[in-house]
Amino acid sequence: AQKITQTQPGMFVQEKEAVTLDCTYDTSDQSYGLFWYKQPSSGEMIFLIYQGSYDEQNATEGRYSLNFQKARKSANLVISASQLGDSAMYFCAMRINQAGTALIFGKGTTLSVSS
Amino acid sequence: DTAVSQTPKYLVTQMGNDKSIKCEQNLGHDTMYWYKQDSKKFLKIMFSYNNKELIINETVPNRFSPKSPDKAHLNLHINSLELGDSAVYFCASSSLPRLAGGLSEQFFGPGTRLTVL
Repeated sequence: AQKITQTQPGMFVQEKEAVTLDCTYDTSDQSYGLFWYKQPSSGEMIFLIYQGSYDEQNATEGRYSLNFQKARKSANLVISASQLGDSAMYFCAMRINQAGTALIFGKGTTLSVSS
Repeated sequence: DTAVSQTPKYLVTQMGNDKSIKCEQNLGHDTMYWYKQDSKKFLKIMFSYNNKELIINETVPNRFSPKSPDKAHLNLHINSLELGDSAVYFCASSSLPRLAGGLSEQFFGPGTRLTVL
């Protein structure tokens, strides 16, 4: 069964520090994609970063990087130099089938950044 | 130039009523989705349409009926609303990945907060 697990309900970090949000996944498919989305308190879903199962290098997008460990089935999000505006809920998601390309989501991690 | 738009943003209604949520995307995508986010913030796929054809229909009560008049629109009709239908409903769209395992970013609409009284 396809599944995404985020074990950290909440994380706290100080401004300018780095933080890692954990995500593990379960799938028997060889071809899949892993996503991270940010949901601030205003409610919109903001795409952050993507890692394909065939990508050999870890994805990076500005201050975001994805620590992809395929053998461990983990896809942790690393945010460097945290900012107050990073305070939000973060969701890890996996694309579940090629035809529909719908996403299954983890339960999310709430990140709080303090000054 | 909103990419994925939903109307209304807020919807408050009584139990038993029928309501619709509209979704439009101007990205030229061929796949559209409806997701439900419950009170615990858990997001779950409800439906997926590709080129106006239903691809995914998760275990959703048949009171929920998606309708796709064209590739750019995917509306959600809900009959006989129940208290448990209260949630935020997100519409999203994407293109199919060009390569297996390739990126097909899903663009989400702003969400519709449905409250059933």
